Amino acid sequence: GENVEQHPSTLSVQEGDSAVIKCTYSDSASNYFPWYKQELGKRPQLIIDIRSNVGEKKDQRIAVTLNKTAKHFSLHITETQPEDSAVYFCAPDSNYQLIWGAGTKLIIKP
Amino acid sequence: DGGITQSPKYLFRKEGQNVTLSCEQNLNHDAMYWYRQDPGQGLRLIYYSQIVNDFQKGDIAEGYSVSREKKESFPLTVTSAQKNPTAFYLCASSGSSLTGELFFGEGSRLTVL
Repeated sequence: GENVEQHPSTLSVQEGDSAVIKCTYSDSASNYFPWYKQELGKRPQLIIDIRSNVGEKKDQRIAVTLNKTAKHFSLHITETQPEDSAVYFCAPDSNYQLIWGAGTKLIIKP
Repeated sequence: DGGITQSPKYLFRKEGQNVTLSCEQNLNHDAMYWYRQDPGQGLRLIYYSQIVNDFQKGDIAEGYSVSREKKESFPLTVTSAQKNPTAFYLCASSGSSLTGELFFGEGSRLTVL
């Protein structure tokens, strides 16, 4: 089955700096690559996604880049703010299901 | 106010008891899902349903059961056969695609005493 890994498991950055989280996957047939954000005690919410026919997608301070050859995609957050503190999950599709990574805890230091 | 409603938010159960978690959506979504979330792990799929009166097992279906008698409702029963039921349970729905955006409920935290 699909193997999904996220790195790092915890990331601490200074407010205003950038953060990058990487997700590697094993299923070469994966075509959908979303990132979800889960704040403490709240439900996961989709923040950005990309499909395999696109290499990069941006939405204000967040972006996702995809490297299908190497089988990884990354979440980029620029100008980090306190409200970016959360756990971020990647969940590439495999066999018509989403396979979730273990999550990356992002800490924004004031 | 459209969305997904899960209840109860917190539930305590004695060993050997079955318990049913409710999930209702008014988004007119075809697909509904149940996930289990444990600390430090990603979400794991328990069951999913793409259409009324049909559902499929996910990766960790043992000890759980579901029904889909109405489009809006997808209750999950945690049976006494589930060896380690203490967890956070999340219900979600999506449009027709199984790989589109998921909309989650607020979750139900089950503790077995």
